[in-house]
Amino acid sequence: DAKTTQPPSMDCAEGRAANLPCNHSTISGNEYVYWYRQIHSQGPQYIIHGLKNNKTNEMASLIITEDRKSSTLILPHATLRDTAVYYCIGGAYSGAGSYQLTFGKGTKLSVIP
Amino acid sequence: GAVVSQHPSRVICKSGTSVKIECRSLDFQATTMFWYRQFPKQSLMLMATSNEGSKATYEQGVEKDKFLINHASLTLSTLTVTSAHPEDSSFYICSAREVGDFNQPQHFGDGTRLSIL
Repeated sequence: DAKTTQPPSMDCAEGRAANLPCNHSTISGNEYVYWYRQIHSQGPQYIIHGLKNNKTNEMASLIITEDRKSSTLILPHATLRDTAVYYCIGGAYSGAGSYQLTFGKGTKLSVIP
Repeated sequence: GAVVSQHPSRVICKSGTSVKIECRSLDFQATTMFWYRQFPKQSLMLMATSNEGSKATYEQGVEKDKFLINHASLTLSTLTVTSAHPEDSSFYICSAREVGDFNQPQHFGDGTRLSIL
């Protein structure tokens, strides 16, 4: 799996867009970029994933640079319930059922009223 | 869709007992399920990968005789912590990936908080 680097913490004002960066300069051609978040004492929640094209769903937008060495998760209108640890992960299927997500330390996003 | 249910959510038991945790995919079939452990203020650490109908693959440093994994169907995997001790107290989380496209995301249960007295 590609090693990813995220800032340890970020603050965002309620109602504003939260832009969470992630560097994954060693990502290989077949590795997807996945984003999850974990609210305290719960299991991680899937947000979005992509390979090379930008994607948007009901939760967020994912912007992946053309060289695929970095990406940004965008929460368009952050609410207090978006306060969580956000994980950016590179992952790919490597055969024989071997498919893993390696969690780093993530970014602790605090949405401030 | 893609709901993973984990049971129990919390268990407290005495040292030396065995504890079984269930992980079910409620609305999809999961060829592969994963078991993670998370200690306080740390990130998730993968313990093992289980494929339906075959033996689990354990990560380095995880004792397979202590953490027994059974994945007997496409919707159920169980983790049994045998002869649990206080150092096994942790937050155990399972995830499942839907059959099909191998790059489909994993979906996680809400975790089981295990406390060994």
